[in-house]
Amino acid sequence: SQQGEEDPQALSIQEGENATMNCSYKTSINNLQWYRQNSGRGLVHLILIRSNEREKHSGRLRVTLDTSKKSSSLLITASRAADTASYFCATDDSSYKLIFGSGTRLLVRP
Amino acid sequence: NAGVTQTPKFQVLKTGQSMTLQCAQDMNHEYMSWYRQDPGMGLRLIHYSVGAGITDQGEVPNGYNVSRSTTEDFPLRLLSAAPSQTSVYFCASTRLAPSSHEQYFGPGTRLTVT
Repeated sequence: SQQGEEDPQALSIQEGENATMNCSYKTSINNLQWYRQNSGRGLVHLILIRSNEREKHSGRLRVTLDTSKKSSSLLITASRAADTASYFCATDDSSYKLIFGSGTRLLVRP
Repeated sequence: NAGVTQTPKFQVLKTGQSMTLQCAQDMNHEYMSWYRQDPGMGLRLIHYSVGAGITDQGEVPNGYNVSRSTTEDFPLRLLSAAPSQTSVYFCASTRLAPSSHEQYFGPGTRLTVT
């Protein structure tokens, strides 16, 4: 069963603009993570936010978590062509099982 | 450190053939896992291991076997390949539980079953 679902499925923006993608999930979680996948490559961990945190920053990334709405958002500020990738949220079904959403495909046009 | 390595990168099998996908990590991680990724979808957990000698099933375990005889290696065996197993397979590892620690992914094995 898919826990996290990203929205939108695809996003195309101009370099320098901000990109926002959202993740919704169904059941309570301990942590939520965001991963990036460049075309044809493995996933790379971006950020982890705990259920008792509301916002977290890492460089140009800002993640928010609203447990009452069971949703999270990933904001990439001042986007670059190199940010072109697919972005996935992952929620913990248990300590040892992560459930990944279907991802948002981001295209940053130079 | 090489991180997580996977072999082969590409493989074509005929229906009914068997094969083993190799995965190794040199980070002394206790937890290792196998995922499959189908076009336009996220990753689905096949099997995972929390340490040498311990394995458990994930979301989609049917048709796959695993074993964990050492901390470093976690091979995935397809017993009798089916076209439905055409996918990209990723191995990942992490120090402890993936729910609270980042996972490191290998580059993937692209498998086609005809």
